[in-house]
Amino acid sequence: SAVISQKPSRDICQRGTSLTIQCQVDSQVTMMFWYRQQPGQSLTLIATANQGSEATYESGFVIDKFPISRPNLTFSTLTVSNMSPEDSSIYLCSVRRGRETQYFGPGTRLLVL
Amino acid sequence: QKEVEQNSGPLSVPEGAIASLNCTYSDRGSQSFFWYRQYSGKSPELIMSIYSNGDKEDGRFTAQLNKASQYVSLLIRDSQPSDSATYLCAVKEGNTPLVFGKGTRLSVIA
Repeated sequence: SAVISQKPSRDICQRGTSLTIQCQVDSQVTMMFWYRQQPGQSLTLIATANQGSEATYESGFVIDKFPISRPNLTFSTLTVSNMSPEDSSIYLCSVRRGRETQYFGPGTRLLVL
Repeated sequence: QKEVEQNSGPLSVPEGAIASLNCTYSDRGSQSFFWYRQYSGKSPELIMSIYSNGDKEDGRFTAQLNKASQYVSLLIRDSQPSDSATYLCAVKEGNTPLVFGKGTRLSVIA
């Protein structure tokens, strides 16, 4: 398994501001992902965080709104920019070691007022 | 568009019974299949993975895969109230990201 931590665990933000979420893994992983889970919904993949290069975004998500960094094999950040109430959600970091098993961090609960 | 379909539930079963959760997927190229459990307010937790046709057992959990029918299921024997959660089915092909279903909410009644 993998031990994954996320900061902050929760936050309340004003619209128009930005929040950066950090994801730290206890050891090197091959792939890191960022998901969003809106209330009562399943998981939606935002992007794959690529080490040393630009993230790969899914349809409906753009770099200007959700810039992502991955400077090394154990750390990544997701920024939610120019927030609106529609961005209120749980944001989850997920990692894959090898080709198969994928684990999730504890999540960051974001409320935008 | 890859799709994973699950009955949203809720699925209610009495304590001690077998809970049967089902999932179908659209992409015939899918190679890896996973079941995650998510308690309310918590992140998903991996409980089973299966890669080949047939059954795979782990304690009270059995995953079943039928690639010809594009169908994967999870059986929970001797269901306990602590099994009450949302169960998410996820599939992937090769090294692509997981595609999740919407989840089935299971309620085990004491």
